[in-house]
Amino acid sequence: NAGVTQTPKFQVLKTGQSMTLQCAQDMNHEYMSWYRQDPGMGLRLIHYSVGAGITDQGEVPNGYNVSRSTTEDFPLRLLSAAPSQTSVYFCASSYLGGFTPYNSPLHFGNGTRLTVT
Amino acid sequence: AQKVTQAQTEISVVEKEDVTLDCVYETRDTTYYLFWYKQPPSGELVFLIRRNSFDEQNEISGRYSWNFQKSTSSFNFTITASQVVDSAVYFCALSEATTGTASKLTFGTGTRLQVTL
Repeated sequence: NAGVTQTPKFQVLKTGQSMTLQCAQDMNHEYMSWYRQDPGMGLRLIHYSVGAGITDQGEVPNGYNVSRSTTEDFPLRLLSAAPSQTSVYFCASSYLGGFTPYNSPLHFGNGTRLTVT
Repeated sequence: AQKVTQAQTEISVVEKEDVTLDCVYETRDTTYYLFWYKQPPSGELVFLIRRNSFDEQNEISGRYSWNFQKSTSSFNFTITASQVVDSAVYFCALSEATTGTASKLTFGTGTRLQVTL
């Protein structure tokens, strides 16, 4: 059981380049999300999804696109990278329906460190 | 809108000292969840605790304890007899207790704890 897998672990881009950060989970979680972590800012929600075919914006969605074609995968796309997108990106997943003593909290991947020069 | 404030940016203690990390939250919801996560130097996010807004009992787990007070909108975290391995960034987080949004966590900016010998 791998949990939440993010690839790549590290990436360097030049301004204007595009790339996709991959996120996959094998826990059959309905809910998946992307956060970015910046010094002094904590973790901020970029986009989230409550199931295949359904996505919505979080707190800081500009410059990022997502899609959810399967339950397992939730890729994050940067169409034209900017230095302001230099950050550590975390993917997270969980069951829907709120939290009970019997289900799990948000499961995080190990992060992708992205540098845009 | 939800907000989580961790006013302590960085705390340094000597091993075996007790330390309390403060967390103050704002929400218009009457039912919500509160969380603490630990991020050690290796970078992963480790879930520590989840509390429901209707359960104000304090919780103790080994050297860790949590004090939840709705009257002051606070959810403070105390480490007793701190150890070097406790050195990490600690995040407090909040979410609504509504199906589909209970996993949308709003994070504080984190408190970096440094425990020295």
